[in-house]
Amino acid sequence: AQKITQTQPGMFVQEKEAVTLDCTYDTSDQSYGLFWYKQPSSGEMIFLIYQGSYDEQNATEGRYSLNFQKARKSANLVISASQLGDSAMYFCAMREAFNYQLIWGAGTKLIIKP
Amino acid sequence: DTGVSQDPRHKITKRGQNVTFRCDPISEHNRLYWYRQTLGQGPEFLTYFQNEAQLEKSRLLSDRFSAERPKGSFSTLEIQRTEQGDSAMYLCASSSEGQYNEKLFFGSGTQLSVL
Repeated sequence: AQKITQTQPGMFVQEKEAVTLDCTYDTSDQSYGLFWYKQPSSGEMIFLIYQGSYDEQNATEGRYSLNFQKARKSANLVISASQLGDSAMYFCAMREAFNYQLIWGAGTKLIIKP
Repeated sequence: DTGVSQDPRHKITKRGQNVTFRCDPISEHNRLYWYRQTLGQGPEFLTYFQNEAQLEKSRLLSDRFSAERPKGSFSTLEIQRTEQGDSAMYLCASSSEGQYNEKLFFGSGTQLSVL
């Protein structure tokens, strides 16, 4: 069963607009972590933001915030005031408490238009 | 700031040849991971080291794949008798944390093309 689902293969957004990238997950564990990574065309995965399953507040890191809805098992990434440099692939990932692996979604390709 | 370094960046080989990739993690990181990523997909876990011990290996990994991390520093990933299906980006990541909130630092990957 697919554990991380990213339903948007690609998105076009106008520069300076906010954008929401969707992610839903599936786990029976109570303890888990959710991550968003950015992968530019250079190939390197860059950590953006983390949300723990017990965190009551939504995580924020600069222009990035994570809209965590535990009951719905969703962990959407919100990028405020998008910039041309935000154009990249974005991956949602999950790590369950007793598992060494990160489980990844298929990614969303975000293109920011000037 | 020296991040995770992978060598080579690109490798083209013929089917049946052996290839070896190297990963140098961030120096104080004791955890090292290898992932494989094919076009249009998220990465897939291959194997994990804590210091020099290989603690987990994916069931997806055939016997043609082997990884080592001598002395708990750099790591190598070898693929023997390469097949066209091995063509992918091979990503290495390292970390110093041990819980499920562990943030991984990735290298730029090695792109393997098997002809």
